[in-house]
Amino acid sequence: QVLLVESGGGAVQPGRSLRLSCEASGFTFSHYALNWVRQGPGKGLEWLSLISDDGTRTYSADSVKGRFTISRDNSKNILYLQMNSLTIDDTAVYYCARMGVPGAILGWFDPWGQGTLVTVSS
Amino acid sequence: EIVLTQSPGTLSLSPGERATLSCRASQSINRYLAWYQQKPGQAPRLLIYDASNRATGIPARFSGSGSGTDFTLTISSLEPEDFAVYYCQQRTTFGQGTRLEI
Repeated sequence: QVLLVESGGGAVQPGRSLRLSCEASGFTFSHYALNWVRQGPGKGLEWLSLISDDGTRTYSADSVKGRFTISRDNSKNILYLQMNSLTIDDTAVYYCARMGVPGAILGWFDPWGQGTLVTVSS
Repeated sequence: EIVLTQSPGTLSLSPGERATLSCRASQSINRYLAWYQQKPGQAPRLLIYDASNRATGIPARFSGSGSGTDFTLTISSLEPEDFAVYYCQQRTTFGQGTRLEI
């Protein structure tokens, strides 16, 4: 069974940092690109960042570029999102999502993790 | 950057009825479109990829069509569990969602 489990969310003050993790199982982790997508309270889905299967290529949305860094450890089957200089607008549920096709960096996302909630508040 | 516009914003129907959801792209995206279902408190679930291919385990009442700029997700006969929010997606862009309510 393909499974993605996020962790690391919680309450944090504006300006602080947080690192999210996404632990994968049930598939060959190093064969798939991975994404982070977030959803603010009552809002739609916002793609944040993608990392290629081998970790050599990363892409990020303008809204988080320079603040958020995606990375992965293929030896541990874990995806990370380092979030710095957090603002209230970063409050959201953060999902990791696998690309649907091995090796692809374009296409559909399947599956998704259950999400981890990040609340930025003073 | 491609913009995806979904309509309607909210669709009110009853179980057993047919639902037709639309997603329009600001420029041609060939058939590179996916649809997701999201229920309250849950992660999105892939329904359709490449415009018309059902994902594994998705019931046959869900179908997708379209190419270029206009796409449709059709649910042929609504079941109670189908009432949810539906999103279309192309590359890193998502539509704003359509809420399907009873």
